[in-house]
Amino acid sequence: QVQLVQSGAEVKKPGASVKVSCKASGYTFTGYYMHWVRQAPGQGLEWMGRINPNSGGTNYAQKFQGRVTMTRDTSISTAYMELSRLRSDDTAVYYCARTVVATPPHFDYWGQGTLVTVSS
Amino acid sequence: SYVLTQPPSVSVAPGKTARITCGGNNIGSKSVHWYQQKPGQAPVLVIYYDSDRPSGIPERFSGSNSGNTATLTISRVEAGDEADYYCQVWDSSSDHHDVVFGGGTKLTVL
Repeated sequence: QVQLVQSGAEVKKPGASVKVSCKASGYTFTGYYMHWVRQAPGQGLEWMGRINPNSGGTNYAQKFQGRVTMTRDTSISTAYMELSRLRSDDTAVYYCARTVVATPPHFDYWGQGTLVTVSS
Repeated sequence: SYVLTQPPSVSVAPGKTARITCGGNNIGSKSVHWYQQKPGQAPVLVIYYDSDRPSGIPERFSGSNSGNTATLTISRVEAGDEADYYCQVWDSSSDHHDVVFGGGTKLTVL
Protein backbone atom coordinates (compact mmCIF):
# COMPACT_ATOMS: atom_id res chain seq x y z
CA GLN A 1 0.00 0.00 0.00
CA VAL A 2 1.10 3.54 -0.69
CA GLN A 3 2.72 5.26 2.27
CA LEU A 4 4.39 8.62 2.75
CA VAL A 5 6.25 8.75 6.05
CA GLN A 6 7.65 12.08 7.17
CA SER A 7 10.39 12.96 9.63
CA GLY A 8 9.66 14.07 13.15
CA ALA A 9 8.80 17.40 14.70
CA GLU A 10 11.38 20.17 14.70
CA VAL A 11 11.97 23.26 16.83
CA LYS A 12 14.05 25.98 15.23
CA LYS A 13 15.16 29.50 16.05
CA PRO A 14 14.32 32.44 13.79
CA GLY A 15 16.81 32.73 10.95
CA ALA A 16 17.65 29.03 10.95
CA SER A 17 16.80 26.43 8.31
CA VAL A 18 14.79 23.23 8.53
CA LYS A 19 14.85 20.16 6.31
CA VAL A 20 11.90 17.79 6.32
CA SER A 21 11.98 14.36 4.70
CA CYS A 22 9.22 12.26 3.14
CA LYS A 23 9.92 8.58 2.48
CA ALA A 24 7.67 6.96 -0.11
CA SER A 25 6.81 3.29 -0.37
CA GLY A 26 4.29 1.08 -2.12
CA TYR A 27 4.63 2.68 -5.56
CA THR A 28 7.18 3.77 -8.15
CA PHE A 29 8.70 6.90 -6.60
CA THR A 30 9.73 8.43 -9.92
CA GLY A 31 6.28 8.04 -11.43
CA TYR A 32 4.54 10.72 -9.38
CA TYR A 33 5.24 14.34 -8.49
CA MET A 34 5.82 15.13 -4.82
CA HIS A 35 4.35 18.35 -3.46
CA TRP A 36 4.72 20.17 -0.17
CA VAL A 37 1.74 21.84 1.51
CA ARG A 38 1.79 23.60 4.85
CA GLN A 39 -0.86 24.51 7.39
CA ALA A 40 -0.33 27.13 10.08
CA PRO A 41 -2.14 26.58 13.38
CA GLY A 42 -5.87 27.04 12.89
CA GLN A 43 -5.39 28.07 9.27
CA GLY A 44 -5.97 26.59 5.82
CA LEU A 45 -3.78 24.70 3.39
CA GLU A 46 -1.00 26.51 1.54
CA TRP A 47 0.86 25.03 -1.43
CA MET A 48 4.63 25.50 -1.40
CA GLY A 49 5.77 23.74 -4.55
CA ARG A 50 6.52 20.43 -6.19
CA ILE A 51 9.36 18.27 -7.44
CA ASN A 52 9.43 15.79 -10.28
CA PRO A 53 11.37 12.91 -8.69
CA ASN A 54 12.28 11.56 -12.10
CA SER A 55 14.05 14.67 -13.40
CA GLY A 56 14.58 16.63 -10.20
CA GLY A 57 12.80 19.58 -11.78
CA THR A 58 10.97 21.88 -9.39
CA ASN A 59 8.20 24.49 -9.36
CA TYR A 60 7.90 26.74 -6.34
CA ALA A 61 5.07 29.02 -5.27
CA GLN A 62 6.13 32.63 -5.72
CA LYS A 63 5.75 33.28 -2.02
CA PHE A 64 8.54 30.81 -1.21
CA GLN A 65 10.89 31.49 -4.12
CA GLY A 66 14.40 31.98 -2.80
CA ARG A 67 13.66 30.40 0.57
CA VAL A 68 12.57 26.86 -0.29
CA THR A 69 14.54 24.05 -1.88
CA MET A 70 13.00 20.71 -2.82
CA THR A 71 15.24 17.76 -3.57
CA ARG A 72 15.00 14.00 -3.78
CA ASP A 73 17.10 10.87 -3.43
CA THR A 74 15.71 8.24 -5.77
CA SER A 75 17.94 5.52 -4.28
CA ILE A 76 15.92 5.64 -1.07
CA SER A 77 12.62 6.97 -2.50
CA THR A 78 12.75 10.06 -0.34
CA ALA A 79 11.84 13.67 -1.01
CA TYR A 80 13.10 16.62 0.99
CA MET A 81 11.90 20.15 1.62
CA GLU A 82 14.28 22.69 3.08
CA LEU A 83 13.04 26.10 4.19
CA SER A 84 15.59 28.74 5.12
CA ARG A 85 15.57 32.06 7.00
CA LEU A 86 12.77 30.82 9.21
CA ARG A 87 10.37 33.28 10.82
CA SER A 88 7.79 32.79 13.53
CA ASP A 89 5.02 32.73 10.94
CA ASP A 90 6.62 29.65 9.38
CA THR A 91 5.37 27.70 12.37
CA ALA A 92 3.11 25.12 10.75
CA VAL A 93 2.50 21.48 9.95
CA TYR A 94 4.27 20.61 6.72
CA TYR A 95 2.81 17.85 4.55
CA CYS A 96 4.18 16.01 1.56
CA ALA A 97 1.58 14.76 -0.90
CA ARG A 98 1.85 13.04 -4.24
CA THR A 99 0.09 13.68 -7.53
CA VAL A 100 0.09 12.02 -10.90
CA VAL A 101 2.44 13.59 -13.43
CA ALA A 102 -0.41 14.70 -15.68
CA THR A 103 -2.20 17.96 -14.95
CA PRO A 104 -4.44 19.13 -13.47
CA PRO A 105 -3.14 17.42 -10.37
CA HIS A 106 -4.95 16.20 -7.30
CA PHE A 107 -3.40 14.82 -4.12
CA ASP A 108 -4.33 11.19 -3.63
CA TYR A 109 -1.92 10.36 -0.78
CA TRP A 110 -0.54 12.56 1.97
CA GLY A 111 2.16 12.16 4.58
CA GLN A 112 1.24 12.35 8.24
CA GLY A 113 2.63 15.86 8.58
CA THR A 114 5.65 17.34 10.36
CA LEU A 115 5.23 20.11 12.90
CA VAL A 116 7.87 22.81 12.60
CA THR A 117 7.92 25.31 15.43
CA VAL A 118 9.91 28.51 15.03
CA SER A 119 10.57 30.20 18.34
CA SER A 120 13.35 32.10 20.02
CA SER B 1 -3.36 34.93 -8.80
CA TYR B 2 -6.47 32.81 -8.83
CA VAL B 3 -8.71 32.99 -5.75
CA LEU B 4 -11.11 30.36 -4.42
CA THR B 5 -13.79 31.50 -1.98
CA GLN B 6 -15.50 29.15 0.48
CA PRO B 7 -17.96 29.94 3.27
CA PRO B 8 -16.18 29.65 6.64
CA SER B 9 -18.85 27.41 8.08
CA VAL B 10 -21.84 25.28 7.19
CA SER B 11 -24.18 23.61 9.69
CA VAL B 12 -26.52 20.72 9.00
CA ALA B 13 -28.65 18.30 10.98
CA PRO B 14 -27.92 14.58 10.81
CA GLY B 15 -29.63 12.89 7.88
CA LYS B 16 -29.94 16.12 5.92
CA THR B 17 -27.94 17.34 2.92
CA ALA B 18 -24.94 19.64 3.23
CA ARG B 19 -23.76 21.76 0.32
CA ILE B 20 -20.37 23.44 0.45
CA THR B 21 -19.58 25.93 -2.28
CA CYS B 22 -16.30 27.02 -3.81
CA GLY B 23 -16.38 30.19 -5.88
CA GLY B 24 -13.88 31.27 -8.48
CA ASN B 25 -13.76 33.20 -11.72
CA ASN B 26 -15.03 30.81 -14.41
CA ILE B 27 -14.20 27.88 -12.16
CA GLY B 28 -16.38 25.72 -14.40
CA SER B 29 -13.51 25.68 -16.89
CA LYS B 30 -11.18 24.11 -14.32
CA SER B 31 -11.06 20.73 -12.61
CA VAL B 32 -11.95 20.99 -8.93
CA HIS B 33 -10.84 18.61 -6.22
CA TRP B 34 -12.16 18.38 -2.65
CA TYR B 35 -10.49 17.28 0.58
CA GLN B 36 -11.82 16.41 4.01
CA GLN B 37 -9.64 17.13 7.02
CA LYS B 38 -10.45 16.05 10.55
CA PRO B 39 -8.64 17.57 13.56
CA GLY B 40 -5.07 16.40 13.89
CA GLN B 41 -5.15 14.44 10.65
CA ALA B 42 -3.87 14.90 7.13
CA PRO B 43 -6.38 15.84 4.43
CA VAL B 44 -8.17 13.06 2.55
CA LEU B 45 -9.29 13.32 -1.07
CA VAL B 46 -13.07 12.91 -1.31
CA ILE B 47 -13.84 14.22 -4.83
CA TYR B 48 -11.55 14.71 -7.83
CA TYR B 49 -12.10 16.04 -11.34
CA ASP B 50 -15.26 17.82 -10.18
CA SER B 51 -17.35 14.73 -9.45
CA ASP B 52 -15.28 11.53 -9.32
CA ARG B 53 -15.05 9.61 -6.05
CA PRO B 54 -11.91 7.77 -4.93
CA SER B 55 -12.41 4.20 -3.86
CA GLY B 56 -13.54 3.99 -0.27
CA ILE B 57 -15.40 7.31 -0.30
CA PRO B 58 -19.14 6.83 0.30
CA GLU B 59 -21.58 7.55 -2.51
CA ARG B 60 -23.11 10.17 -0.20
CA PHE B 61 -20.30 12.47 -1.36
CA SER B 62 -20.79 14.08 -4.76
CA GLY B 63 -19.56 17.12 -6.63
CA SER B 64 -20.54 19.48 -9.39
CA ASN B 65 -18.93 22.42 -11.14
CA SER B 66 -20.38 25.06 -13.43
CA GLY B 67 -20.01 28.74 -14.12
CA ASN B 68 -18.38 30.46 -11.18
CA THR B 69 -19.25 27.88 -8.51
CA ALA B 70 -18.23 24.34 -7.65
CA THR B 71 -20.23 22.46 -5.03
CA LEU B 72 -19.51 19.54 -2.75
CA THR B 73 -22.72 17.82 -1.68
CA ILE B 74 -22.91 15.43 1.24
CA SER B 75 -26.20 13.54 1.45
CA ARG B 76 -27.59 11.89 4.56
CA VAL B 77 -25.00 13.63 6.70
CA GLU B 78 -23.54 11.66 9.60
CA ALA B 79 -21.75 12.83 12.72
CA GLY B 80 -18.50 11.43 11.29
CA ASP B 81 -18.68 13.89 8.39
CA GLU B 82 -17.93 16.78 10.72
CA ALA B 83 -14.64 18.18 9.44
CA ASP B 84 -13.00 20.95 7.46
CA TYR B 85 -13.43 20.75 3.70
CA TYR B 86 -11.13 22.36 1.14
CA CYS B 87 -11.52 22.83 -2.60
CA GLN B 88 -8.45 22.91 -4.84
CA VAL B 89 -7.62 23.73 -8.46
CA TRP B 90 -4.56 23.96 -10.65
CA ASP B 91 -4.07 27.51 -11.88
CA SER B 92 -2.29 27.59 -15.21
CA SER B 93 -3.67 30.96 -16.27
CA SER B 94 -0.47 32.92 -15.64
CA ASP B 95 3.23 32.38 -16.19
CA HIS B 96 3.34 30.83 -12.76
CA HIS B 97 1.49 27.52 -12.51
CA ASP B 98 0.23 26.99 -9.00
CA VAL B 99 -1.93 24.75 -6.86
CA VAL B 100 -4.63 26.89 -5.25
CA PHE B 101 -6.71 25.94 -2.21
CA GLY B 102 -9.89 27.54 -0.97
CA GLY B 103 -9.87 28.89 2.55
CA GLY B 104 -11.76 25.90 3.90
CA THR B 105 -15.25 25.32 5.28
CA LYS B 106 -15.95 23.90 8.71
CA LEU B 107 -18.89 21.50 8.52
CA THR B 108 -20.76 21.22 11.81
CA VAL B 109 -23.26 18.42 12.31
CA LEU B 110 -25.90 19.70 14.72
